Amino acid sequence: QKEVEQDPGPLSVPEGAIVSLNCTYSNSAFQYFMWYRQYSRKGPELLMYTYSSGNKEDGRFTAQVDKSSKYISLFIRDSQPSDSATYLCAMSLYGNNRLAFGKGNQVVVIP
Amino acid sequence: EAGVTQFPSHSVIEKGQTVTLRCDPISGHDNLYWYRRVMGKEIKFLLHFVKESKQDESGMPNNRFLAERTGGTYSTLKVQPAELEDSGVYFCASSQEGRRGLTYNEQFFGPGTRLTVL
Repeated sequence: QKEVEQDPGPLSVPEGAIVSLNCTYSNSAFQYFMWYRQYSRKGPELLMYTYSSGNKEDGRFTAQVDKSSKYISLFIRDSQPSDSATYLCAMSLYGNNRLAFGKGNQVVVIP
Repeated sequence: EAGVTQFPSHSVIEKGQTVTLRCDPISGHDNLYWYRRVMGKEIKFLLHFVKESKQDESGMPNNRFLAERTGGTYSTLKVQPAELEDSGVYFCASSQEGRRGLTYNEQFFGPGTRLTVL
């Protein structure tokens, strides 16, 4: 069983729509849950992180973690063409520890 | 401040040859990580340095891979001899010294080295 599952299907939405992404995981010991954004030919860059369960909001982005279901989500409100990128979920046991990634979702926001 | 840099950006070699990838972390970052993404798969952890010491090398696929971090600064990842299945994008990341508490020590990623083994 993979540590992190992220359905890698591409997602195409019109500008202004809400984008919903999610991942499931198998290791209940994960404590840090991250969303990274990756543009073409670039490295991943951290978008948001959450410690343990709960919600976190940053502007148009909301991250949710449900440890009881081993399920995390990322919502992008009022999506913009500049949000077009690959979004990767990642998790770790500790704050300074190796990351376990999902496969990523390619998101395209159409103007 | 300069980010994580990697060299070369792209390398094409033949099976059996040797390739060395280099990573320069953000200045002052004690932690340095190597990851790899093989086509169609997720990014996978290879190893973690704290300064010049290997903290965790559990992700290294086999003994054809050798990582070093000279003086706790830049790092190299050598593949010798390269095989077809080594093709992929190799990412390096760095983060600050570990802090206590609940803070995530953000890993800053380089742009990656795309390795193609023919």
